[in-house]
Amino acid sequence: QLQLQESGPGLVKPSETLSLTCTVSGGSISSSSYYWGWIRQPPGKGLEWIGSIYYSGSTYYNPSLKSRVTISVDTSKNQFSLKLSSVTAADTAVYYCASSYYDILTGYYYFDYWGQGTLVTVSS
Amino acid sequence: DIQMTQSPSSLSASVGDRVTITCRASQSISSYLNWYQQKPGKAPKLLIYAASSLQSGVPSRFSGSGSGTDFTLTISSLQPEDFATYYCQQSYSTLGTFGQGTKLEIK
Repeated sequence: QLQLQESGPGLVKPSETLSLTCTVSGGSISSSSYYWGWIRQPPGKGLEWIGSIYYSGSTYYNPSLKSRVTISVDTSKNQFSLKLSSVTAADTAVYYCASSYYDILTGYYYFDYWGQGTLVTVSS
Repeated sequence: DIQMTQSPSSLSASVGDRVTITCRASQSISSYLNWYQQKPGKAPKLLIYAASSLQSGVPSRFSGSGSGTDFTLTISSLQPEDFATYYCQQSYSTLGTFGQGTKLEIK
């Protein structure tokens, strides 16, 4: 069973870059069946998909955030990371990393394992 | 972008009730629809994928149905641990948009 754990600063200043890392255990990040994603949830609000990455480095980003987001993968450490630049108060949220199982035959995908989430507050 | 709309936004029900939550897509998404349950302070939990497939370990009182644009999540007999917020998510496109959520509260 996969386990995911987010890590990174809980407080970021406006205009700076938010950086988070997700460490995967219980399986390989190089699995051909998985993408690895970031999802966020502002306090009291719903879920927003930020982007996903495949172990090969292929990335997919939410168009609304694409100009500010970079997701990368480090297969040697079984980790993937999120960078979100030029943050504002609107980026204050709980950030989740999650595994996205992808069925290559049917095209179905879904987030089956999630980290516990980490609250990132943007404030000076 | 595909928009997902859930109804109702909130719902009050009693233990033992049968409850149905609806999710509507802004365009046809075939059966590319997932359902998640989220309890306060916790990460979402996958319940249903591909519109009607029950994730391993999820109680059989949860079921999903629908295709195209209209989908439902049904809880056949509410248990105390089922009071939570439920989200649908389309996986038809890479941008896997979520619905706004349905908060299920105790009556």
